[in-house]
Parts: sequence; C-alpha cells; structure tokens
Amino acid sequence: DAGVIQSPRHEVTEMGQEVTLRCKPISGHDYLFWYRQTMMRGLELLIYFNNNVPIDDSGMPEDRFSAKMPNASFSTLKIQPSEPRDSAVYFCASRGAGISYEQYFGPGTRLTVT
Amino acid sequence: QKEVEQNSGPLSVPEGAIASLNCTYSDRGSQSFFWYRQYSGKSPELIMFIYSNGDKEDGRFTAQLNKASQYVSLLIRDSQPSDSATYLCAVTHGSARQLTFGSGTQLTVLP
Repeated sequence: DAGVIQSPRHEVTEMGQEVTLRCKPISGHDYLFWYRQTMMRGLELLIYFNNNVPIDDSGMPEDRFSAKMPNASFSTLKIQPSEPRDSAVYFCASRGAGISYEQYFGPGTRLTVT
Repeated sequence: QKEVEQNSGPLSVPEGAIASLNCTYSDRGSQSFFWYRQYSGKSPELIMFIYSNGDKEDGRFTAQLNKASQYVSLLIRDSQPSDSATYLCAVTHGSARQLTFGSGTQLTVLP
C-alpha cells in the first residue's frame, strides 16, 4: 500500500516566484494536513482538510499561502510570491477515520527560496 | 506557554542502555498521545501511540501515560545506534483531534 506521496522532493526558487507543492494522501484517508518544519519553530500545522473541505487554516502564515483539495486524492499548497523566510521542509500527512487519530507523513518537500 | 514540552536534549546514551524521553502537555482534554521518530532529512515516522493511563509495550519501546500529571514518556530498551534520531511527542487537541507536536528530543546512541 503506497504511503503519502509528495512532489517535488526538492524545490529551489527565487524570491517572488510562485511555488506549488503537491500531495497525494493514503487512499481512504479522509483527513489531510499540511505542516511546515523549521529548526526555529519546529513542526507547525498550517491547514487541514476533512473530506476535501478546509477546516482550519489558522496556521497559514499569511495570504501568500493558499491550499486546495479538489478531490480525495490530491492537494496543493501554493506560495505566491515566495520569500526567503518561506524556506523550510513542508510535510503533508493523512489520517483515516480510526479512533486513534494517528497521522502518516509523506517524505516532505524541501523548499529553498533564494 | 508551549502546549507540548519535551526535554530539550540532546540526549546521549551508550549502546544497550535504556533511553528515557519525556513529554508534558497543557491541554487536559487531550485524549491520544503519539511518539514519532525522525531521522535527519527524513519525515516523522509513527512509533507508538497511547491513550490509556499506564504502560504500553511494543518490542523495545514502552510508552507511559499519566493523565493526572499530564505526562507521557517513551522508554527505549537495549538502545541501538540505529535508534539515533529526533523523537517527537504529539498530542491530540481540538474537535478534529489534530496533533500538536513538541520540539523534539535528539537522541544519540553511542556504540
């Protein structure tokens, strides 16, 4: 069974450019979470979806960040325009409907904005 | 105050010893507690979860939960160099039981 899939694995871009990160959750999982991890702030929840609907985006740092989930098997996180302080590792995680609430993480996208 | 606190580390133990990782949380409504292991440059990997007071054992790993003290720990017996990683504690909160993570404890097992 495939795990959470993310692409690209690495992204290097220049300040001001648009960046799109992609995620495919585990089949059958109805929750999808986007996280950002930095040395300074650790692992932060940005936004999560339930059945493709955004539930809580209070962790999105600012309006430059947006996320969509057009169907159960695909989500995007977009940064426009990107800034050097957006450099981080972005993880996508998914969760099924079980009672234990465990989340499974994708391999992450390492974003570098120069 | 940070919602999930972990001993900052880094923690070094000799091979074969018991490594003890600790975590406290502030939300008394938290119901489930998780330990993730993260190797350098990799994504967090679920090791164990616990939601009842007491101990839960899985191989060399034991999770301990004390809800009255708002404390959860992870013991790693017979530590191996391959256990060297950062260990993240996470607790559920909110209506969707989303996770809040601690800042992690870096463990090094010395051969």
